[in-house]
Amino acid sequence: DTGVSQDPRHKITKRGQNVTFRCDPISEHNRLYWYRQTLGQGPEFLTYFQNEAQLEKSRLLSDRFSAERPKGSFSTLEIQRTEQGDSAMYLCASSRAQGESNEQFFGPGTRLTVL
Amino acid sequence: AQSVTQPDIHITVSEGASLELRCNYSYGATPYLFWYVQSPGQGLQLLLKYFSGDTLVQGIKGFEAEFKRSQSSFNLRKPSVHWSDAAEYFCAVGSYYGGATNKLIFGTGTLLAVQP
Repeated sequence: DTGVSQDPRHKITKRGQNVTFRCDPISEHNRLYWYRQTLGQGPEFLTYFQNEAQLEKSRLLSDRFSAERPKGSFSTLEIQRTEQGDSAMYLCASSRAQGESNEQFFGPGTRLTVL
Repeated sequence: AQSVTQPDIHITVSEGASLELRCNYSYGATPYLFWYVQSPGQGLQLLLKYFSGDTLVQGIKGFEAEFKRSQSSFNLRKPSVHWSDAAEYFCAVGSYYGGATNKLIFGTGTLLAVQP
């Protein structure tokens, strides 16, 4: 399967702990996006990368959140000192930077539960 | 500010009946519009998209959508619903920069239930 993969699929943690999620995009895609989806809501944009450059960050991305894409391939999203309000599905997507198809392909998500 | 409104939180239709899901957007420039479907435990899958040209766009699984600039709408339609269409549907608007859409702004979704 050459789709977007995310790891882990589920994460349960205690408040105050740090967590890190990984996203592997489709190999030829140089754009990578992170979104957060809470129950009953649509996905909300967090940040995106073109290659290794982080081009935009949402105000939702507080200083406890950091995302990296060090070699322009996979990306990690770290949440420090987790809070119960961080409980959500974290979605990763990837796309080509240019071309006819501007579709963002989404991964299955990582569901975070903060106790 | 860019926004998407999906007025219907939950819709129930009978199998074989027609379907229309509503979407209204607010965007300052020419919008790039998308419909995604999300099934339980599955990632978001693109049904169709509108960038320019013909305002009636065809998508996968027999879905179509019509862009109406005067009404700021991009409603999704299907002439005959199948039980497998039960899922949550999201409308999204994307801004276009540097050769591609960047962030997507999603509506709150419409949950579709299909009665036998």
